[in-house]
This record gives sequence, structure tokens and C-alpha cells, in this order.
Amino acid sequence: EAGVTQFPSHSVIEKGQTVTLRCDPISGHDNLYWYRRVMGKEIKFLLHFVKESKQDESGMPNNRFLAERTGGTYSTLKVQPAELEDSGVYFCASSLLKGGYNEQFFGPGTRLTVL
Amino acid sequence: DAKTTQPPSMDCAEGRAANLPCNHSTISGNEYVYWYRQIHSQGPQYIIHGLKNNETNEMASLIITEDRKSSTLILPHATLRDTAVYYCIVRAADDYKLSFGAGTTVTVRA
Repeated sequence: EAGVTQFPSHSVIEKGQTVTLRCDPISGHDNLYWYRRVMGKEIKFLLHFVKESKQDESGMPNNRFLAERTGGTYSTLKVQPAELEDSGVYFCASSLLKGGYNEQFFGPGTRLTVL
Repeated sequence: DAKTTQPPSMDCAEGRAANLPCNHSTISGNEYVYWYRQIHSQGPQYIIHGLKNNETNEMASLIITEDRKSSTLILPHATLRDTAVYYCIVRAADDYKLSFGAGTTVTVRA
């Protein structure tokens, strides 16, 4: 069974440019999450989808970040325009259920570098 | 906002048991204790979780004190591949966010 996949694995862009990160969850997992770790900080929650609906986007840092999950399958996270402080590793995770007893499976992450 | 306290780092000899402590003195009755780890350049990996009873799986054992204010993750026979940052997380049954703290950096030495 394929795990959570993320694309690209690395992205280097200039400040002010746009970048779109993609996440493909495990097949059948309705719950999809985005997290990120910026330099020197802890891994932080960004948002949570159930199917195509955003359940919680309280962790999104500002309106330069836009997450979508059309059709309830893969998800994209767009950063527009990117700023230097957006550099870090962006993780996607998925789970079958959303309850506290249900484990989240993480992808390998996308390392974003904004120059 | 992490609700747990872990030592920042620890070393372990290959082949020996690694005992990773975690304090969660404010844990609520409906909160589970989860352990994840992150091996360098990979995404976090689920290890084990528990509510009240001790738990064991193919990766590790989780020992939770009777008052549930602390727990210990045990890696029975540490290998070099177990070198990672280990995160202890408390999470309510109806919650979905994982709140990662700083974790414990475990280095397994040959």
C-alpha cells in the first residue's frame, strides 16, 4: 500500500514568487492535514481537511497561504507571494478517522527554500 | 502548545534498551499519550499510543504511570536506525491536531 506522497521533495524559489505543494494521501483516508517546520522551530499544525471541506485552518499563518482539496483526494498548498520566513519543511499527513485514537501517517515533506 | 516535557537529548548503546521519559502532569482523563519519531529528512512516524494501560507493539512498549502524569517509551533493543527525534504528545480523543514539542533527540551509538 502506497503511503502519503508529496511533491516536490525540494523547491527553491525567489521571494515574491508562487509555489504550489502537492500531497497525495493514503487511498481512502478522508482526513488530510498540513504541518510545517520553519527553521529552528517545532512542527506546527496548519490545517485539516475532511474530504474536500476545511475543518480547521487555524494554523495557517496568513492569507498568502491557500490550501485546497478538490474532489476530496489530493491536496495542494499554495504560497503566494512567498516570503523568506516561509522557508521550512512542509509535511502532509492523512488518517482514516479523525479521532484521538487514530494515527496520522506522514509524508516525507517538501523542503521549501525562499531566497 | 505542547503539554509534555521531555529531556532534550539522550544517548543509547546499540543493542541496549532505550528508556525515554515524558512528563504530562496536566493530562486529562480523555487524553491519549502518543509517541512519534522523526528520523532525519523523513516525516514523523507513529510509534505507539495509550490511554491508561501499558501497550506494546512491534516497535516499542509504552509504560504509563498509574496517575497518568508521566510515561516511558521503551525501545527494547536499540539499533543505529533508531537514531531520531522522539516526540511525546497528548491528544484528546476528539482532537485531531498533533502538537509537537521539541522532543528528545536520541542518538544510538555502536
